[in-house]
Amino acid sequence: DIQMTQSPPSLSASLGDKVTITCQASQNINKYIAWYQQKPGKAPGLLIHYTSTLVSGIPSRFSGSGSGRDYSFSISNVESEDIASYYCLQYDNSPYTFGAGTKLELK
Amino acid sequence: QVQLKESGPGLVQPSQTLSLTCTVSGFSLTSNSVHWVRQPPGKGLEWMGGIWGDGSTDYNSALKSRLSISRDTSKSQVFLKMNSLQTDDTAIYFCTRGDWYFDFWGPGTMVTVSS
Repeated sequence: DIQMTQSPPSLSASLGDKVTITCQASQNINKYIAWYQQKPGKAPGLLIHYTSTLVSGIPSRFSGSGSGRDYSFSISNVESEDIASYYCLQYDNSPYTFGAGTKLELK
Repeated sequence: QVQLKESGPGLVQPSQTLSLTCTVSGFSLTSNSVHWVRQPPGKGLEWMGGIWGDGSTDYNSALKSRLSISRDTSKSQVFLKMNSLQTDDTAIYFCTRGDWYFDFWGPGTMVTVSS
């Protein structure tokens, strides 16, 4: 099984900051990584797929990059509505595996 | 529009079998796969398994011995059955659509395993 090591587990940011979350896969996942946002009591929402493809309607302050085993997700100009947990998902190989999550809080 | 919704019992006794239904609309089960993902309270997401458009299934090896996923295309429903439930199976259970990444999700249903 592919392990996804996501860091940091939590992040404290001020409004307007840029924050970055990383996911390292235990093997090459060929850019097949997606990023999700989850707010309390809600289902995850897809933000980005295939490393950097932004889902329609998602603000451009969200971005993703990476290749091979190493991937990152960034939010530039953090807004209050971005306070949530974020998860990466590798879908290169079954079983699909998620990172452990990053909780973004306001400083 | 694409919608998914989970239904099932909120409470299951230890050692019993969990049966959940995912009712979908806005897409065809013969053209898209549907997966189950669960999330224990305060914890992360775990992919459980899925059923593909051709009817084949794929399971997380950690759950494979207890898990079965099936469907009724005429009713646009996907079913999850998992036996020998224990307290650590307490979680929110989501169904989600996705042949690659998971793009649409149901709101989830909370399942508590307790006597």
